[in-house]
Amino acid sequence: RKEVEQDPGPFNVPEGATVAFNCTYSNSASQSFFWYRQDCRKEPKLLMSVYSSGNEDGRFTAQLNRASQYISLLIRDSKLSDSATYLCVVNVDSGGYQKVTFGIGTKLQVIP
Amino acid sequence: SAVISQKPSRDICQRGTSLTIQCQVDSQVTMMFWYRQQPGQSLTLIATANQGSEATYESGFVIDKFPISRPNLTFSTLTVSNMSPEDSSIYLCSVEVLEQGSHEQYFGPGTRLTVT
Repeated sequence: RKEVEQDPGPFNVPEGATVAFNCTYSNSASQSFFWYRQDCRKEPKLLMSVYSSGNEDGRFTAQLNRASQYISLLIRDSKLSDSATYLCVVNVDSGGYQKVTFGIGTKLQVIP
Repeated sequence: SAVISQKPSRDICQRGTSLTIQCQVDSQVTMMFWYRQQPGQSLTLIATANQGSEATYESGFVIDKFPISRPNLTFSTLTVSNMSPEDSSIYLCSVEVLEQGSHEQYFGPGTRLTVT
């Protein structure tokens, strides 16, 4: 089983739609979680951290379910500019340093 | 946050040669990393670049193939040695910044390497 699993998509959604991505992780000792956004031929950029209580940033909502070992990202009112690959990232404290594992990413295409 | 630059941004190299990629950060950081991202794949950590000591390599990556330097807290280099077409990939430098208790990573723009 992969350490971090994501549906690679693509998810094709119309503008204005709500779309949700899930990401599952295998290591129950994982401590911190993030969503990154990667545009085509660009480097990944931090979108948001995922907190245990869930967090919201404008149209984006991230949630963590430790019991089921998954995190989710909800995007409301999708814009064309949201088209990108969304990477799930999980950190584990490994001997005093953070072991970072990236998912393969979920590709989102917002259609006019 | 951190601003990271990488040189070169892209290169086309012949098999058997070596390429050194440079990574410069605009502030002093403890943790610097080198990743590889092959087409259609996720990011794979190559190694952690340690200042003042040898890099820490992940499984499947060795120092002879990917020597790394970290002379100070703002700069690192990754060399891809004796290249083969399988080394064609994007190589990314990243740094870890502790922000509000969260270990966040920031990436350089990447170096797109094609080996012919």
